[in-house]
Amino acid sequence: EIVLTQSPDTLSLSPGERATLSCRASQSVSGNYLAWYQEEPGQAPRLLIYDASSRATGIPDRFSGSGSGTDFSLTISRLEPEDFAVYYCQQYGSSPLTFGGGTKVEI
Amino acid sequence: EVQLLESGGGLVQPGGSLRLSCAASGFTFSSFAMSWVRQAPGRGLEWVSSISGSGGTTYNADSAKGRFTISRDNSRNTLYLQMDSLRVEDTAVFYCAKRSNWNGGCFDWWGQGTLVTVSS
Repeated sequence: EIVLTQSPDTLSLSPGERATLSCRASQSVSGNYLAWYQEEPGQAPRLLIYDASSRATGIPDRFSGSGSGTDFSLTISRLEPEDFAVYYCQQYGSSPLTFGGGTKVEI
Repeated sequence: EVQLLESGGGLVQPGGSLRLSCAASGFTFSSFAMSWVRQAPGRGLEWVSSISGSGGTTYNADSAKGRFTISRDNSRNTLYLQMDSLRVEDTAVFYCAKRSNWNGGCFDWWGQGTLVTVSS
């Protein structure tokens, strides 16, 4: 099983600042099949990034994903008020599918 | 637009059973794999089970093996999760999620979830 470790647990920033979230895998993620999701309180998760660096439909270009192998990151170039949420990485290259523990981006 | 609407959650005693349903619309249901993902109160996301577009292949997390059965009815555009021998630790919001291709991929659309509470 691939264990995904996200850091930091919490990121305290202000609107307009840049956020960089990390996701490290315990072994190489096959095909770089790694996704990032945003979860706002009381809402279902939303796909932001797939295949490590491709933005999902309708996702603003301030969100970008990068990385390969075991080290991946999500960058939000300029935080908007609606971006304060919890972010999860997830690998779908091998079974069992696994999620990271999440990073909370707070004001 | 893709819509996924879960139902069937509720309060059940330990050892009991529950059947979740997910009604899908806005896409060709049989062309995409589907999954169930859960989130215990105050916790992160956990993949539970997946099924291919045809229904011929299923995958379960270890926590679900032998207790949960995923299935689908492509004629009704509906996904199911039969949950037996429920435990207190199964208490969670269960999300239905569409996969991005017929046999897997990422979770590109999610339902709003249905709450399952296992308690005596």
